[in-house]
Amino acid sequence: QKEVEQNSGPLSVPEGAIASLNCTYSDRVSQSFFWYRQYSGKSPELIMSIYSNGDKEDGRFTAQLNKASQYVSLLIRDSQPSDSATYLCFTGGGNKLTFGTGTQLKVEL
Amino acid sequence: EAQVTQNPRYLITVTGKKLTVTCSQNMNHEYMSWYRQDPGLGLRQIYYSMNVEVTDKGDVPEGYKVSRKEKRNFPLILESPSPNQTSLYFCASSPPGREFHEQYFGPGTRLTVT
Repeated sequence: QKEVEQNSGPLSVPEGAIASLNCTYSDRVSQSFFWYRQYSGKSPELIMSIYSNGDKEDGRFTAQLNKASQYVSLLIRDSQPSDSATYLCFTGGGNKLTFGTGTQLKVEL
Repeated sequence: EAQVTQNPRYLITVTGKKLTVTCSQNMNHEYMSWYRQDPGLGLRQIYYSMNVEVTDKGDVPEGYKVSRKEKRNFPLILESPSPNQTSLYFCASSPPGREFHEQYFGPGTRLTVT
């Protein structure tokens, strides 16, 4: 079993819709959870971090964490074509850092 | 400007010819890390360093070496590259404290080994 699992997609949503990206993790030591966005051929960039159970909102992005279910999600409201990218879920526990393989999001006009 | 730099950005080499990919950060970060990214496999950690002279293996260290003699630099060394090391490589750094896992990535180095 992979330590961090994401659906590879592609996930297609129409412009203006809500995109929902999901991630499950297996390591209960994980204390920090992050979402990175990566455009094709570019480096990953941090868009959201969450450390406590519940929701965290930042602009059009909301991260949701449920440690009991070992589940973290990212909601993107009012999706724009510029949101089309691969979204990487990342967990940190101790010195070990683990990325999921990413979900490709396509926002269609 | 706060940044992580890598050089070279693109490299084509032949099997067995030693090479070094440099990584430098100007943010005084303690934690630095190397990843490789391959289609379908995502980002996999090669080596990381908690501070000067402190390095440790990640998930895929075979065939790679690193050193951390200065805080700002963390070079990746391939002593005898092989075609299975053809990949996109990223260096990253993180500040200490709670932000420890918030990583800043370099622009990437695309390596082809023939």
